[in-house]
Amino acid sequence: DPKIIQKPKYLVAVTGSEKILICEQYLGHNAMYWYRQSAKKPLEFMFSYSYQKLMDNQTASSRFQPQSSKKNHLDLQITALKPDDSATYFCASSQGTVNNQAPLFGEGTRLSVL
Amino acid sequence: GEQVEQRPPHLSVREGDSAVITCTYTDPNSYYFFWYKQEPGASLQLLMKVFSSTEINEGQGFTVLLNKKDKRLSLNLTAAHPGDSAAYFCAVGTGNYKYVFGAGTRLKVIA
Repeated sequence: DPKIIQKPKYLVAVTGSEKILICEQYLGHNAMYWYRQSAKKPLEFMFSYSYQKLMDNQTASSRFQPQSSKKNHLDLQITALKPDDSATYFCASSQGTVNNQAPLFGEGTRLSVL
Repeated sequence: GEQVEQRPPHLSVREGDSAVITCTYTDPNSYYFFWYKQEPGASLQLLMKVFSSTEINEGQGFTVLLNKKDKRLSLNLTAAHPGDSAAYFCAVGTGNYKYVFGAGTRLKVIA
């Protein structure tokens, strides 16, 4: 059974709309991340959270907003969608307060913006 | 910030041959390194963790080398087989919950 659940697996949206990508992890990890993968930028770090606090944000646009309602949840809200936002969005999590713990990845949400 | 360069972007080898993928990084304070495998349409699967105190790690069918002096990390798949065909990514842990990934190497093993 997958330990990091991302929903939905596939998502089609129209330009200008808003979508929320869901991520829940059942590994007991305290840190969660969002990464984006597209043909232009293979695997791009977006956000990291630890104990529901934002640790790092490398996303230039405020259209991307992470939301953490619980320690094991980190959703990603994307507003005013653009075709360039089309990508696979991966959620990941890790345990520990240092980087010796490898992040483990969910199956991804494949977003297409028309 | 940390930058990771991964080479080559594409690699094609015959079954039974070895395949070598190399990453170089810029931050000498980086301590933690990882290799991932991604099959088409799938997620990233952790292959190996490599820590600063370790120079050589061996897994099932592959060897990882870390050269801190040259800031270089390499993955050597020995006797590659078609099931090894995938994209491979190195990742560097830079501290403060951030991992920087290389651009990936698309490996194709020809039977």
